[in-house]
Amino acid sequence: DQQVKQNSPSLSVQEGRISILNCDYTNSMFDYFLWYKKYPAEGPTFLISISSIKDKNEDGRFTVFLNKSAKHLSLHIVPSQPGDSAVYFCAASSRFGNEKLTFGTGTRLTIIP
Amino acid sequence: NAGVTQTPKFQVLKTGQSMTLQCAQDMNHNSMYWYRQDPGMGLRLIYYSASEGTTDKGEVPNGYNVSRLNKREFSLRLESAAPSQTSVYFCASRTDWLYSYEQYFGPGTRLTVT
Repeated sequence: DQQVKQNSPSLSVQEGRISILNCDYTNSMFDYFLWYKKYPAEGPTFLISISSIKDKNEDGRFTVFLNKSAKHLSLHIVPSQPGDSAVYFCAASSRFGNEKLTFGTGTRLTIIP
Repeated sequence: NAGVTQTPKFQVLKTGQSMTLQCAQDMNHNSMYWYRQDPGMGLRLIYYSASEGTTDKGEVPNGYNVSRLNKREFSLRLESAAPSQTSVYFCASRTDWLYSYEQYFGPGTRLTVT
């Protein structure tokens, strides 16, 4: 039972364009969502998060959008840079879930110079 | 400030052998976690510890044991390794701020069981 789904295993985007990564969830108890970035042979690093009381959070080139009615969130990267090439995981948590994160399966983003 | 450190970085075991993966954090976090990452599966929680002296099972605990030695250290033990435990293992810790769920990850241990 995959509660957090990233349906696109991979995505290629030209440098300078917008990258949009998508994530869907099924558990309506989730109230906090995070995006992590992972380079090969390294641990995941936290990128950006959003609480369910918001529908948008922005940090520099990265913006996360949350659509609670659709149980969908997306990460926008504008403009995309070669250093953004990595695997991106979305994760979700619930204040009733003992602080645990549930991760999606990841999307490999490749930025084409 | 090293953050979360893990040892070893790589390990090859034969089926039936045992080993302990070590994790330490220097951020004074109460909560610590062990995950495994397999191709196409994302990160799955094995065990976690909300505070020193407490541990709880995660999504995939079978075949593993953990010890929260002190606030800094959280170890993961494989008593009798199986090929199905070939994976990359990540340790993480979480800030104690009430409304923050961010976890900080170590660099990982790549384990192969033959």
